[in-house]
Amino acid sequence: AQKITQTQPGMFVQEKEAVTLDCTYDTSDPSYGLFWYKQPSSGEMIFLIYQGSYDQQNATEGRYSLNFQKARKSANLVISASQLGDSAMYFCAMREGDRMTTDSWGKLQFGAGTQVVVTP
Amino acid sequence: EPEVTQTPSHQVTQMGQEVILRCVPISNHLYFYWYRQILGQKVEFLVSFYNNEISEKSEIFDDQFSVERPDGSNFTLKIRSTKLEDSAMYFCASSLLGGTGDTQYFGPGTRLTVL
Repeated sequence: AQKITQTQPGMFVQEKEAVTLDCTYDTSDPSYGLFWYKQPSSGEMIFLIYQGSYDQQNATEGRYSLNFQKARKSANLVISASQLGDSAMYFCAMREGDRMTTDSWGKLQFGAGTQVVVTP
Repeated sequence: EPEVTQTPSHQVTQMGQEVILRCVPISNHLYFYWYRQILGQKVEFLVSFYNNEISEKSEIFDDQFSVERPDGSNFTLKIRSTKLEDSAMYFCASSLLGGTGDTQYFGPGTRLTVL
């Protein structure tokens, strides 16, 4: 079974508009972390935002915010006021458990990604 | 701002040859990782490394792969006998701690092309 599902292969958004990228996850571990990374066409992976399973509030980092709905197991990324430089592939990733409770040493499991194209 | 670096940025090799991909993690980080991304596909975990030994590895990380931290700064991935299907972008990442919420910072990647 897929651990991370990103159902939107691609999205177009106009400059200055907001865009929501969907991410659902599957885990039975009560302790987990959710991450979003941006991959521009140059190929590097840039960390954007993190949400912990025990966090009471939705994470925000500048123009990025995370809509965390724990009961629905979703962690959607919202990019506000899109800019041309936001055009990139966006990956949702999960890290389950910690070494006190599992054998996991913190590997990230990634979704298939969503390609975002921002148009003028 | 400290960053993870990787060399080379692009490596072309013949099938059956050995390659070594190099990474310099962020200096005070303790956990190191290799991931790979075959063109157009998702990023896949290969191996994690802590305290000079492998902590966890995936099914992809078979006997052809090995990792080493030869000195206090470098972290290498060796592929002993490359196959066509090893062609991918290889990312090194590091994190300060190993906790669930600890962010992994990625290097720019090495694009490996096996001919």
